[in-house]
Amino acid sequence: QAVVTQEPSVTVSPGGTVTLTCGSSTGAVTSGHYPSWFQQRPGQAPRTLIYDTSNKHSWTPARFSGSLLGGKAALTLSGAQPEDEADYYCLFSYSGSRVFGGGTKLTVL
Amino acid sequence: QVQLVESGGGVVQPGRSLRLSCAVSGFIFTNYGMHWVRQAPGKGLEWVAVVWNDGSYQYYADSVKGRFTISRDDSKNTLYLQMHSLRAEDTAVYYCARNYYIDFWGQGTLVTVSS
Repeated sequence: QAVVTQEPSVTVSPGGTVTLTCGSSTGAVTSGHYPSWFQQRPGQAPRTLIYDTSNKHSWTPARFSGSLLGGKAALTLSGAQPEDEADYYCLFSYSGSRVFGGGTKLTVL
Repeated sequence: QVQLVESGGGVVQPGRSLRLSCAVSGFIFTNYGMHWVRQAPGKGLEWVAVVWNDGSYQYYADSVKGRFTISRDDSKNTLYLQMHSLRAEDTAVYYCARNYYIDFWGQGTLVTVSS
């Protein structure tokens, strides 16, 4: 089973911009992995932010965007807000099965 | 509105079985693939299984393959996860989630495997 790797922790200043990434043990991440991104605040169920690399849901704040960057999937937050402090997970598809990354704890400080 | 409500969690002894349910409403169940995802206490998300919208395909994480079975009853708008040979490491909050790329999540049900 593939392993998906994320930065364990990242800090961003309020109003700042930060990019979280997800890599795959199988090689470069492509759109065929259908990358998705999820936010989870403490004590809450996850919430989906991005699907199919860069598509947003109706509830996704405009400051979040998804892309492919240097062979990885990337989630960029432009203009960080205190409420963005949370854990972020990516999810890749591998021929039907799925694998989550280990998660990134984002601190807004 | 879309709702997914898990049930069936609880405390179970190692080696025993348990069946989780996820009752859905607010959308046409047969149009969507469905997932189970779990989260051990203090740990990250772990994908468990997916079933196709028509039930024709199921895929599993290696950690549960051969022990867990995902299924659906479209007449009851309900998703299931049958879990056998439970281990301590299966202790987690189990979430059901809608759609192949996952859009909506339930609130989860806690399964504790302990003697």
